[in-house]
Amino acid sequence: AQSVTQLDSQVPVFEEAPVELRCNYSSSVSVYLFWYVQYPNQGLQLLLKYLSGSTLVKSINGFEAEFNKSQTSFHLRKPSVHISDTAEYFCAVSDVGAGGYQKVTFGTGTKLQVIP
Amino acid sequence: NAGVTQTPKFQVLKTGQSMTLQCAQDMNHNSMYWYRQDPGMGLRLIYYSASEGTTDKGEVPNGYNVSRLNKREFSLRLESAAPSQTSVYFCASRDRAYYGYTFGSGTRLTVV
Repeated sequence: AQSVTQLDSQVPVFEEAPVELRCNYSSSVSVYLFWYVQYPNQGLQLLLKYLSGSTLVKSINGFEAEFNKSQTSFHLRKPSVHISDTAEYFCAVSDVGAGGYQKVTFGTGTKLQVIP
Repeated sequence: NAGVTQTPKFQVLKTGQSMTLQCAQDMNHNSMYWYRQDPGMGLRLIYYSASEGTTDKGEVPNGYNVSRLNKREFSLRLESAAPSQTSVYFCASRDRAYYGYTFGSGTRLTVV
């Protein structure tokens, strides 16, 4: 069975402060890990992903996430947030597989509110 | 550069009415998906199509049907809408699991 836990439903943070959005997962098989961002009234967009190799992955807009196998975590961080980062962030895990359907499970989302 | 296109963007239905949500992708992806998003519940998979000509149930298929019309198009039908189907519906596509999904902009459906 596969599950994703995002314990924080909302995270308020002041502009230019650092932020960490937490994601823990469980799975009995190898997984890929993703973070998606959803801006108000829009669809989800892929922010970054971990497939294999280096455990630290980065996005083009300053976010980074670190895969920690022992803690089964994939927390998202940004050292200095901007107003434009206000959005909902979803962690997701996908089974690894070559064909057919690879199960994807989403967390319940964390709303990041950046305060001016 | 359209990606995944969903229509309509908004819809209000009366209980018992039917409707079809349309989805088309122009990225030549093999797999297409329908999700619903409800507050505090994340995204839940309704149906998916791993390849053209195949469809399978997801977590919450009751009350829905789908058609994979061709490689580009994947529609979701509500035969008899119920208030419990009030939600935001997202269509997504992907090629390989490691690419992640490309999502449409969503259909906000209200059933009264």
